Amino acid sequence: GESVGLHLPTLSVQEGDNSIINCAYSNSASDYFIWYKQESGKGPQFIIDIRSNMDKRQGQRVTVLLNKTVKHLSLQIAATQPGDSAVYFCAENKNDYKLSFGAGTTVTVRA
Amino acid sequence: NAGVTQTPKFRILKIGQSMTLQCTQDMNHNYMYWYRQDPGMGLKLIYYSVGAGITDKGEVPNGYNVSRSTTEDFPLRLELAAPSQTSVYFCASSYGARSTDTQYFGPGTRLTVL
Repeated sequence: GESVGLHLPTLSVQEGDNSIINCAYSNSASDYFIWYKQESGKGPQFIIDIRSNMDKRQGQRVTVLLNKTVKHLSLQIAATQPGDSAVYFCAENKNDYKLSFGAGTTVTVRA
Repeated sequence: NAGVTQTPKFRILKIGQSMTLQCTQDMNHNYMYWYRQDPGMGLKLIYYSVGAGITDKGEVPNGYNVSRSTTEDFPLRLELAAPSQTSVYFCASSYGARSTDTQYFGPGTRLTVL
């Protein structure tokens, strides 16, 4: 079926290391991908997005990579900090409002 | 701006009871959405609205109703609560419906039906 999923449900990272969160999608018609961060007790918060005509986009300490050949999306967080501990969701849509969310990866930062 | 606000934060209902989850946004957004998030899962769209007076079903609308009488408010109604409706409910809004129109989420309402 058409869905967005994450490879691993949990990720433990040492403070200061880089984090890589992966996401696989199956709908080749998707043209827009978004990463959200959800802290405990809060709603999802937009981090970064990427269009299907790009393969890389950088933000502040975050980079999203898109590999359309293998339908794979990743979020890289540089120099992971305790405040980065959260659940990270990838979402995709086909140029409309209908977001399809993956199940999420829980990132825990070790001091 | 307060953004998207939701009330209540927590609620416990008995089977068969009804309640309304409130959602308000102060960003003058046209589009508003209701999602539910079950444990360990992503968000699923319940209902959405493209403007005052216009609503439509999302992926999982059964057991819910919505209304949109103003641009700011988008309440979600549960008429006969069932244990399957135990979930965290998020309201969101966006300026438009293009993929690049970021959806902004409220803090959520945690609902338990016993």
